[in-house]
Amino acid sequence: QSVLTQPPSVSAAPGQTVTISCSGSSSNIGRSYVSWYQHLPGTAPKLLIYDDDNVVSGIPDRFSGSKYGTSATLDITGLQTGDEGYYFCGTWDRDLSARVFGGGTQVTVL
Amino acid sequence: VQLVQSGSELKKPGASVKISCEASGYNFHSHFMIWVRQAPGQGFEWMGWINTITGVPFYAQAFTGRFVFSVDTSVNTAYLQISSLKAEDTAIYYCARAPKWLETDYWYFDLWGRGTQVTVSP
Repeated sequence: QSVLTQPPSVSAAPGQTVTISCSGSSSNIGRSYVSWYQHLPGTAPKLLIYDDDNVVSGIPDRFSGSKYGTSATLDITGLQTGDEGYYFCGTWDRDLSARVFGGGTQVTVL
Repeated sequence: VQLVQSGSELKKPGASVKISCEASGYNFHSHFMIWVRQAPGQGFEWMGWINTITGVPFYAQAFTGRFVFSVDTSVNTAYLQISSLKAEDTAIYYCARAPKWLETDYWYFDLWGRGTQVTVSP
């Protein structure tokens, strides 16, 4: 059971937008920066977003991150078939003194 | 710039395994190395990290005792050794680099290995 909560799956048609939520608490998201990762089958996870809303250089601006209170969000606009995969969030939990991750969300392009 | 992990392992319960994570294309000492695992059908689980300069490891509470992080700076490689393997250790183990110049609250992991599958079965 992951400390951060994500929906197991989201789906949308090509060109549409998906929003992935990452819910935590005051000991993690509420006080530490959130990063987002994309994990496509058979590849190494890839950093997409760091410090809540900074897009990594080279990542399309279709990907964006935001945070409000104890929840963070990853938006993917203009969805493409190549975006299909697993997305997860992560941050530091001060009470646990450990990095914590969301359970991951499978994005499906219909 | 990459992290190359060793290949899949099939081990019997009670055996040991040592996974490697070789860094190339950047200064090995410029980052710490973290380890996480993903059990079948589960999310990523934090195992801890190692200071690549001093070799001092820091383990998550659930990974003390049977798990050992080490580095060999002569070959820019980090290692994860697991002893007394159990069926529940079956998972994919990943290494990734963490920025040593940042406090943990600010950590992000911008380079990952592709993972090493460890299967523990009689």
